Amino acid sequence: AQSVSQHNHHVILSEAASLELGCNYSYGGTVNLFWYVQYPGQHLQLLLKYFSGDPLVKGIKGFEAEFIKSKFSFNLRKPSVQWSDTAEYFCAVNARAGDDKIIFGKGTRLHILP
Amino acid sequence: EAGVTQSPTHLIKTRGQQATLRCSPISGHTSVYWYQQALGLGLQFLLWYDEGEERNRGNFPPRFSGRQFPNYSSELNVNALELEDSALYLCASSLVGWNTEAFFGQGTRLTVV
Repeated sequence: AQSVSQHNHHVILSEAASLELGCNYSYGGTVNLFWYVQYPGQHLQLLLKYFSGDPLVKGIKGFEAEFIKSKFSFNLRKPSVQWSDTAEYFCAVNARAGDDKIIFGKGTRLHILP
Repeated sequence: EAGVTQSPTHLIKTRGQQATLRCSPISGHTSVYWYQQALGLGLQFLLWYDEGEERNRGNFPPRFSGRQFPNYSSELNVNALELEDSALYLCASSLVGWNTEAFFGQGTRLTVV
């Protein structure tokens, strides 16, 4: 069965710092990959997604992620974070294994200091 | 366009009781997913319904069950509530098929006392 690992459970950065959140998945076949964000008091919303094509995908609010198939990774990046990026970030994978359920990682809490 | 709606927003039950949570998907979406979000555990997959059928369930005991109605809305039932069932229960909907994304509701906060 597929699984998703997010290495950083809690990250604290200052504004304007660069961000990289790690995500690895375990499944050898075709996958769709997602990053979702949950701002305080709000529902989960999609940041970006990878289905196929260019492995470098751009999402909303200046976020991007790179799919590296050989490393089973889909790390999230942002060159310069803002205080408003304070949120919890979830990586998710949908493996084409016949059951099509979306599996989430445990999440990373990002706290940006003003 | 209305998003995924869940009711109630908050639910307080005592141990041993039953809880019923409801979800209305985005219009046109036939797939509904249920997740449990407990502190520090991320989103744990509970159930997936599509076209009225249960397609998959996560590693939860049978007292977690649900159904999907002809209008694609869904209900999650939790029987014999335990204190550890206290969590945020999220519903998501999507179009059927491979290259689709899930849209989430605000969740139902279930507290078992």
